[in-house]
Amino acid sequence: DIQVTQSPSTLSASVGDSVTITCRTSQSVSSWLAWFQQKPGKAPKLLIYLASNLESGVPSRFSGSGSGTEFTLTISSLQPDDFATYYCQQYNAYSPWTFGQGTKVEIK
Amino acid sequence: EVQLVESGGGLVQPGGSLRLSCAASGFTFSNHWMIWVRQAPERGLEWVATSNQDGRERFYMDSVKGRFSISRDNAKNALWLQMNSLRAEDTAVYYCVRVGHLTADSWGQGTLVTVSS
Repeated sequence: DIQVTQSPSTLSASVGDSVTITCRTSQSVSSWLAWFQQKPGKAPKLLIYLASNLESGVPSRFSGSGSGTEFTLTISSLQPDDFATYYCQQYNAYSPWTFGQGTKVEIK
Repeated sequence: EVQLVESGGGLVQPGGSLRLSCAASGFTFSNHWMIWVRQAPERGLEWVATSNQDGRERFYMDSVKGRFSISRDNAKNALWLQMNSLRAEDTAVYYCVRVGHLTADSWGQGTLVTVSS
């Protein structure tokens, strides 16, 4: 299976900051990578698909980039509602879906 | 609005069985692949099983093959996960998930399965 590694595990930031989360895969997944946001007690919510495509209804301060084995999620101008845990997921057609271990964005 | 509502979770002894249900609404269920994903604190998010649109193609993670079975009824907009020979490591919140954009684009609220004596 393709391994997915996120960094950092925890990120402390303030409202208005720009933050970046990195996701690396153990082999190339082309652009088959998604990003999710999860709040405590809730289900994950799709933010970004195909590495850089914003899901409908997701604020434009979220953006994704990358291809191959290295990807980033950037939140520009962090808002109070953005403090949550973020997961990346690869969905290469020839391998079981796998998720990163998560990055918790907390208030500094 | 897409809605996925899971039910059927609970406490079960090791070796026991449970059947999870997912009621779908707000979209054309028969057009979508559907999956089950689980989440346990120590193992994070894990894909469990996938069904194609007509239920004839089904895929499972290695650790549940032969124990879990995914099925669906498009006339009832329903998805199920039959779980047999449950183990402590199957303890998790199980999510019913719709596949869109080739990934998990809509999630239910989850149902908790606890395997313990």
